[in-house]
Amino acid sequence: DTGVSQDPRHKITKRGQNVTFRCDPISEHNRLYWYRQTLGQGPEFLTYFQNEAQLEKSRLLSDRFSAERPKGSFSTLEIQRTEQGDSAMYLCASSLEGQGPYEQYFGPGTRLTVT
Amino acid sequence: QKEVEQNSGPLSVPEGAIASLNCTYSDRGSQSFFWYRQYSGKSPELIMSIYSNGDKEDGRFTAQLNKASQYVSLLIRDSQPSDSATYLCAVNDYKLSFGAGTTVTVRA
Repeated sequence: DTGVSQDPRHKITKRGQNVTFRCDPISEHNRLYWYRQTLGQGPEFLTYFQNEAQLEKSRLLSDRFSAERPKGSFSTLEIQRTEQGDSAMYLCASSLEGQGPYEQYFGPGTRLTVT
Repeated sequence: QKEVEQNSGPLSVPEGAIASLNCTYSDRGSQSFFWYRQYSGKSPELIMSIYSNGDKEDGRFTAQLNKASQYVSLLIRDSQPSDSATYLCAVNDYKLSFGAGTTVTVRA
C-alpha cells in the first residue's frame, strides 16, 4: 500500500490570498481527517469525512476554511483570505473503519507560511 | 483544562537506557489510546495503539494503560540515537486529541 500523500509539501502565500491543499488517503481507507499543527503543539483536529460525507467540523474551522471529499476519494482543504495566524503544518490522516479501531495514518503534511 | 497532558520535556537519556513517557487524559469515556513519534520537521508516525488496561509490548516499546487512573505511558527500552524525537500521546476514537508532546534525546 502506498501511504497518505499530500500536495503541495510547502506553500508560501501572501496575506489575503486563497490556498488549496490536496490529500490522497490510503486507497482502501474510508475515513479522512484534517489536522493543523503549530510549533511546539500537538496536532489539532479540524474536520473529518467518512466516504464523501463531512461528519464533523471543529470550531477551529472558521468560515474561511472549507473542505471537500468528492466521490469519497481525495480531499481538498481551502483557506480563503489567508491570515498570518493560518501559518502552520496542515496534516491529513486516513483510517479504515473496523480495522484496528481508528488507527490513523498521517501524510507528510503541507507547511503553510503566510507572509 | 487541557484534555491530554504529557510530562514536560525535554527528556535526555543515555543510549541503552529506558525512556519513560507519561500521559494523562480528562475524558473518562475514552477508549482508544495511541503513541505517535514525530521527527523534527516530519509528520507523526503511529508506533503504538492500546485499548485495554495493562501492558502491550511491540519490540522495544511497551505501552501501559490504566483507565481508572486515566493514565497511559510509553516505555522505550534499550534507547537508540534514532529514538530521538518528539513523542505524542493521542486519545479518543476518531477525533484524536493530542498532548503537546515530549521531546526525547538519546545521547551516545
